[in-house]
Amino acid sequence: EPEVTQTPSHQVTQMGQEVILRCVPISNHLYFYWYRQILGQKVEFLVSFYNNEISEKSEIFDDQFSVERPDGSNFTLKIRSTKLEDSAMYFCASSALRGTSGSYEQYFGPGTRLTVT
Amino acid sequence: LAKTTQPISMDSYEGQEVNITCSHNNIATNDYITWYQQFPSQGPRFIIQGYKTKVTNEVASLFIPADRKSSTLSLPRVSLSDTAVYYCLVAQANQAGTALIFGKGTTLSVSS
Repeated sequence: EPEVTQTPSHQVTQMGQEVILRCVPISNHLYFYWYRQILGQKVEFLVSFYNNEISEKSEIFDDQFSVERPDGSNFTLKIRSTKLEDSAMYFCASSALRGTSGSYEQYFGPGTRLTVT
Repeated sequence: LAKTTQPISMDSYEGQEVNITCSHNNIATNDYITWYQQFPSQGPRFIIQGYKTKVTNEVASLFIPADRKSSTLSLPRVSLSDTAVYYCLVAQANQAGTALIFGKGTTLSVSS
């Protein structure tokens, strides 16, 4: 079964440093997403991406965040200057253009645990 | 987006049927009801979705009454490995790229 993969599984960085989280979505999917989950809290939407541009973003996704699809397989989330409160599990997800039932099942990756010290 | 309300936690024993009910009073005509499952330190995993009446797959059943203001996820004969957080979400159909808005979910604990 195809799956979304993410690297690294755990990233430790110092406050103020830039980090890039990488994702390889499922190959025939066209919509890509980033979510985050702070320890013990709910999963929060950050951004969705389609056709090389952001289609929707949340209030969390401020100027310190950016996303990119640098090639035909990778999808990245960059945090320019990390803060302590950015420590969380970051999940990448992807979905096909149109589900057979009319909805858009999102497939999540295993996550990258980001620890900012 | 319609807000969903579901119990914070549920306990069960192996072999029992578990029903988790979710209310979504403000569901819109174009909204689908979707359930995800999340194990600790893993990403959410799609379980089932439906629009109305009953949907069944190899994992669960989803019951949706005619007014669609609530839905019930039914897990038959749960095992220890079904211990997880279960999220009820309402998402627009025919709207690709739409964010999934997760609540706190229902933490299901299955004991032997």
